[in-house]
Amino acid sequence: QKEVEQDPGPLSVPEGAIVSLNCTYSNSAFQYFMWYRQYSRKGPELLMYTYSSGNKEDGRFTAQVDKSSKYISLFIRDSQPSDSATYLCAMSTAGNNRKLIWGLGTSLAVNP
Amino acid sequence: DAGVTQSPTHLIKTRGQQVTLRCSPKSGHDTVSWYQQALGQGPQFIFQYYEEEERQRGNFPDRFSGHQFPNYSSELNVNALLLGDSALYLCASSHGQGAPGANVLTFGAGSRLTVL
Repeated sequence: QKEVEQDPGPLSVPEGAIVSLNCTYSNSAFQYFMWYRQYSRKGPELLMYTYSSGNKEDGRFTAQVDKSSKYISLFIRDSQPSDSATYLCAMSTAGNNRKLIWGLGTSLAVNP
Repeated sequence: DAGVTQSPTHLIKTRGQQVTLRCSPKSGHDTVSWYQQALGQGPQFIFQYYEEEERQRGNFPDRFSGHQFPNYSSELNVNALLLGDSALYLCASSHGQGAPGANVLTFGAGSRLTVL
């Protein structure tokens, strides 16, 4: 079993839809949870960053962490064609020697 | 403020050759990590450099080596190239070891390596 599981999709939705992207993990020591967005032929860029459990909202994006279920989600409201990209979850433990563990990424296409 | 810059952007090599990829971190960042990303896959951690030393290493053979310079820039070297080394190589910079901000990576656009 991989430490982080993420459905690669692809996911195709109409413009304006609510998108839900998810990752599950097995390591209960993970404390930091991130979502990165990667456009084609570009490097990933940090979208959301969460410490421990709870929700975080930034504009149309909401990140949720449920540590009891070892499950994280990214919601995109009012999705736009410009949201079409690959979304990668990443997580790490605390401490000096932390390593980021990445999901495979979910490919999202928002159709106008 | 320049972000992370990588060079070259694309290169083609043949099996058995050696390659050097270069990375300049974002201003203010002191830690450089290298990742390999195959098509349709998430980034795979190669190694991380801080204070000119390799601090962490992923599951990559010794053919992959690196260096960090006093100005924090970094190089990734791959010897005896294999077809399977064809991938996008990403450099990411961050600040601090152990601080929460250490997880906040700024990526470059990558160097796409094709091995024939």
